[in-house]
Amino acid sequence: GAVVSQHPSRVICKSGTSVKIECRSLDFQATTMFWYRQFPKQSLMLMATSNEGSKATYEQGVEKDKFLINHASLTLSTLTVASAHPEDSSFYICSARQGVPLNSPLHFGNGTRLTVT
Amino acid sequence: KQEVTQIPAALSVPEGENLVLNCSFTDSAIYNLQWFRQDPGKGLTSLLLIQSSQREQTSGRLNASLDKSSGRSTLYIAASQPGDSATYLCAVVSWGSQGNLIFGKGTKLSVKP
Repeated sequence: GAVVSQHPSRVICKSGTSVKIECRSLDFQATTMFWYRQFPKQSLMLMATSNEGSKATYEQGVEKDKFLINHASLTLSTLTVASAHPEDSSFYICSARQGVPLNSPLHFGNGTRLTVT
Repeated sequence: KQEVTQIPAALSVPEGENLVLNCSFTDSAIYNLQWFRQDPGKGLTSLLLIQSSQREQTSGRLNASLDKSSGRSTLYIAASQPGDSATYLCAVVSWGSQGNLIFGKGTKLSVKP
């Protein structure tokens, strides 16, 4: 089956540093990838949609200068949390669409637990 | 704006019981609906995907139904086991979106041995 690899699985950093999270589709090409954020005991909230070769589309209330998304190839999207602060601590999950049609299956990475101290 | 609601928020049952988890969505214009399982601190495991033209999908002890016109889906778990304990998430892809999933808040299931 289709596999999405997300790395790192866990990161602890000091306030003010930047953190990069990678999302790779291992056995399929993903024109579109999505980045979600999940607070404790809450559901997943879409942060942005990442399309290969173009700028990401951010959801309302998500700072694009804070959460930098790059989708440089059909198998890799990265999310960089710039100058992280404790309120950025959360669980970040990426997903990749396997196929172009909007009803194509979405496959998820295992998530990244970010803790900013 | 599409909203997904899951009831109940939490459920505790003894091992062996059959159970039903409910999901409702406000806009019936969807491409598909998907059920996921999430273990504490972990990512998502896809359980079942139902396209808008389908009525149900089955995988092992799991059966998911979709009534698009009424905006409802149910996940039926037969003969529950302690290993089924997890949070179950329902999500839809809506028309007019970029193909992203909109999630409910989940049902936290606990199966007691």
